[in-house]
Amino acid sequence: GEDVEQSLFLSVREGDSSVINCTYTDSSSTYLYWYKQEPGAGLQLLTYIFSNMDMKQDQRLTVLLNKKDKHLSLRIADTQTGDSAIYFCAETPYNQGGKLIFGQGTELSVKP
Amino acid sequence: DAEITQSPRHKITETGRQVTLACHQTWNHNNMFWYRQDLGHGLRLIHYSYGVQDTNKGEVSDGYSVSRSNTEDLPLTLESAASSQTSVYFCASSVGREGEQFFGPGTRLTVL
Repeated sequence: GEDVEQSLFLSVREGDSSVINCTYTDSSSTYLYWYKQEPGAGLQLLTYIFSNMDMKQDQRLTVLLNKKDKHLSLRIADTQTGDSAIYFCAETPYNQGGKLIFGQGTELSVKP
Repeated sequence: DAEITQSPRHKITETGRQVTLACHQTWNHNNMFWYRQDLGHGLRLIHYSYGVQDTNKGEVSDGYSVSRSNTEDLPLTLESAASSQTSVYFCASSVGREGEQFFGPGTRLTVL
């Protein structure tokens, strides 16, 4: 079946790097996403990676995909207090009509 | 600017009442989705639609229904509200079946 797992909490100091990890079970997934949710708001797409890529970099964000281990990570460089939020990993299984399967979300707390 | 809106933003109702949550998007997207967000579960798909007159059940559809009479709107109805349906509800839309989903701000529903 389809399942996406994340650790629930991560705390870092301002200026450090944050690494949020995610594992998924469906190897047919075509796209893997990272969404950010700020308090009281909806989800906003941060970045995504296509399943035939190993890495994607976008300014302070680096996404790494290990297809063999079905492991996805999001690295935020120079983490700022404004990065405090819940981060969701999500997959789109192949031929499932674009349905998103979400992880539980990782709450990132950035301390000054 | 194109957007996706939800109303009401907050709703308190009683067990057994029928409740309808509205979702409206101005992007002319064919695909629309309803999710619920609960602590420890991330977001779970309730219903989705690929176009006018098309509706499909998601992972947690029991007790919910949707209808799609036009491109812009996908209202979610709770036929007889139950306390287990207390949650935050998010609507989303997308252009293609695989690709970024744009989320509304959410509706917090409390069933007493």
